[in-house]
Amino acid sequence: GAVVSQHPSWVICKSGTSVKIECRSLDFQATTMFWYRQFPKQSLMLMATSNEGSKATYEQGVEKDKFLINHASLTLSTLTVTSAHPEDSSFYICSARDFGRTGSEQYFGPGTRLTVT
Amino acid sequence: KQEVTQIPAALSVPEGENLVLNCSFTDSAIYNLQWFRQDPGKGLTSLLLIQSSQREQTSGRLNASLDKSSGRSTLYIAASQPGDSATYLCAVIIGSARQLTFGSGTQLTVLP
Repeated sequence: GAVVSQHPSWVICKSGTSVKIECRSLDFQATTMFWYRQFPKQSLMLMATSNEGSKATYEQGVEKDKFLINHASLTLSTLTVTSAHPEDSSFYICSARDFGRTGSEQYFGPGTRLTVT
Repeated sequence: KQEVTQIPAALSVPEGENLVLNCSFTDSAIYNLQWFRQDPGKGLTSLLLIQSSQREQTSGRLNASLDKSSGRSTLYIAASQPGDSATYLCAVIIGSARQLTFGSGTQLTVLP
């Protein structure tokens, strides 16, 4: 149990375009979802925390107008990278938890590799 | 601000050796601590989660300890195998949202 999927697993887009990444909890309802970014040979950095039905809370230094997060249902959160630039190329990973079921433990998706050309 | 440090950054050992990975954190007010494994280009695999009230957790050849007061955790891997080669990340769980703050990882290579 506690499986999280991400789609797509990799995407290449041109500079200036927008790309949407989906994160789904497959067998539980995720009251909270988290989005992380990982640059090559670096650790994961939390970008934002989203609770179902409310606005996401962004970490310092993360542009909320550039990284749009929507958590419209208990099983789906989306991250849209708007007007992407080459420096946005990174590995994006989501995680989800349902405090009532999984406690504080988060379950991670397999990640999405974004390359902006 | 919570900071998590992992030492060493990279480690290479021959197959069969026992090894210890270290993790330290600056703020002892954590809920839990979790160890993950990440293979190249892949997501995270949770290895062990230690509750703040616990001192250690074991799973197979893995043993993780937690000394919350000193801000330290260790991951002990017994009888290492080439399949253990990966990056190992520790993370502390903090805050009302139970956020994870990750260390920079230890890249482990087990040589056959």
